[in-house]
Amino acid sequence: GAVVSQHPSRVICKSGTSVKIECRSLDFQATTMFWYRQFPKQSLMLMATSNEGSKATYEQGVEKDKFLINHASLTLSTLTVTSAHPEDSSFYICSAPGGPWETQYFGPGTRLLVL
Amino acid sequence: GENVEQHPSTLSVQEGDSAVIKCTYSDSASNYFPWYKQELGKRPQLIIDIRSNVGEKKDQRIAVTLNKTAKHFSLHITETQPEDSAVYFCAASTSGATNKLIFGTGTLLAVQP
Repeated sequence: GAVVSQHPSRVICKSGTSVKIECRSLDFQATTMFWYRQFPKQSLMLMATSNEGSKATYEQGVEKDKFLINHASLTLSTLTVTSAHPEDSSFYICSAPGGPWETQYFGPGTRLLVL
Repeated sequence: GENVEQHPSTLSVQEGDSAVIKCTYSDSASNYFPWYKQELGKRPQLIIDIRSNVGEKKDQRIAVTLNKTAKHFSLHITETQPEDSAVYFCAASTSGATNKLIFGTGTLLAVQP
């Protein structure tokens, strides 16, 4: 099946700093990618849809100025958490549709801890 | 927008028994319903999916049923094994390149040996 990678797998940062997370489709092109956030023992909550070459579409309640998304190529989307705070600590997962049925393939996730 | 509800939140079964997890969705336009298994700290893994043009799909010990009229779908796992223990999520979306998935709340399945 299609492979999606994420980097870094885990990151610890100080409050007020920014963190960039990369999501790559390794063996297929993705004009659309999705970013999810998952708090402990909770479900995956869709944050935004990343669109190659155009602006991301954010879900209601997600601050676009805080969670910057860039989809500059057909294989790479980045999520930047700006001015991170402890409440932003979470598991961030990206996904991309691939294959003939556009099945969603998930990256391995990035665990963010903001101190 | 779409809303997906999932029950039960936790399910404990004995090894060899069957497990059933149920989901309902709100948007009648949804036509794609995948099920994911997520182990602790790992990414969700697709285990089975169904599209709205069929009512049932089976893959070895796993089956999914869909009732479009009632807007609900279910996951059935037979002959459960300890390695089936994980969190299971249902999801719904409309097909297409912008097919964002809306997830259910998850079911923690524990298979007791």
